[in-house]
Formats: sequence, C-alpha cells, structure tokens
Amino acid sequence: GAVVSQHPSRVICKSGTSVKIECRSLDFQATTMFWYRQFPKQSLMLMATSNEGSKATYEQGVEKDKFLINHASLTLSTLTVTSAHPEDSSFYICSARDVSKDYEQYFGPGTRLTVT
Amino acid sequence: GQNIDQPTEMTATEGAIVQINCTYQTSGFNGLFWYQQHAGEAPTFLSYNVLDGLEEKGRFSSFLSRSKGYSYLLLKELQMKDSASYLCAPMDSNYQLIWGAGTKLIIKP
Repeated sequence: GAVVSQHPSRVICKSGTSVKIECRSLDFQATTMFWYRQFPKQSLMLMATSNEGSKATYEQGVEKDKFLINHASLTLSTLTVTSAHPEDSSFYICSARDVSKDYEQYFGPGTRLTVT
Repeated sequence: GQNIDQPTEMTATEGAIVQINCTYQTSGFNGLFWYQQHAGEAPTFLSYNVLDGLEEKGRFSSFLSRSKGYSYLLLKELQMKDSASYLCAPMDSNYQLIWGAGTKLIIKP
C-alpha cells in the first residue's frame, strides 16, 4: 500500500525557535497533502491543504505566517512552525492524497512537538 | 453546517461483535472513510464506501446509506488489539474529509 513518511517523529525545542517537519509520499505522487494537528483526546483538526506548486490553503484561525507550508514537489511537503510557543505543543500529522485511489488519504506517522 | 455524530465510547468483550454507528451531514458527498487510531499514533485506513451497501474486508465491514446519512463499522471476533478510536470521516463536495471526535472502543477480556 501507499506509504507516507514524516520526519522527525519527535522534537523538543525551546520557545522562540522554529521547527521544520517533513512529509513524504514514498511510492506515489501526491498533488495534495494535508496538515493536521491533534491535541490529546480531541479530534483531528485540519490546519491547511497543500497543493504542489501553489500556495497552501489555510483553515480559518490558522496563522499562515506562523505555520509555513511548502509543497515543492509531488512527494514532499514541509510544515515550519515559526517562533514556537508552548501552546504549539501538539501532535502534527500529515496525509497525502492519492487521486488514483478514490481520493483516499494516507497518513504519516505523526510528529510529536514539545515546546519548552 | 457539517457535522459527524458517533458515540463517544463503547465497550465490548474479546471475541464478540460490535457495531459503531455514524450519522453525518456534509455539503455534498464523495464517499465515507473509516479510520482506526491507536493512542499516540496517526490514523490508519480501514474502509471506504461511496455506494450504498455493505463492504466486507476480513473481520471488518462497513455499511453506507447515503439517503439516511448513515454508516456503520462492524467489527467481528474482537481482539484486544482492536482497542482504539474509530473515526468516521465523510468527504464533502471539495473532497475534504470531515472529522469528528471518533468513538473510543474498549475491549475487555
């Protein structure tokens, strides 16, 4: 089946620093990737939709200048959390859509971000 | 608006059968996904229904009724490893998945 990787799996950073998270589709091309955030015991919250070669579409309430998304190729999207604060600590999950397979979304394993 | 309604939590016994119901309202409809999510992990794909009826895949089956805005996930021969959250996610007219909080399934020996 389709595989999506995410790196790093865990990251601890200091308040005020920036963190970059990579999402890769390993065996298929993904014109669209999605970035989610999930707080403990809460549902997945879509942050933004990333389309290859164009600007990401952010959901209401998500600061595009704080969460920078780049989808430079059909297999790679990155999320950069700029000037991270403790309240940004969360589980960040990416998914990639394989349009050849009923628009199914394949999820990466997630990145646990802790900001101290 | 768009919304998903699933029970918050269910408990079942190892070896038994459990049915997790989901009702939904979306702007347009392009199929419905069920995902399994273990604590601390990302969701994994279980099933996809776009036409009415039952789709069977091993111990798991998923049913859809588009006219009723209703789906269920049926898990047979429950195993302890099936303890997880189960997420019903319909896809709207923009091919966007709509997520609810999911159903936490607890399996007891």
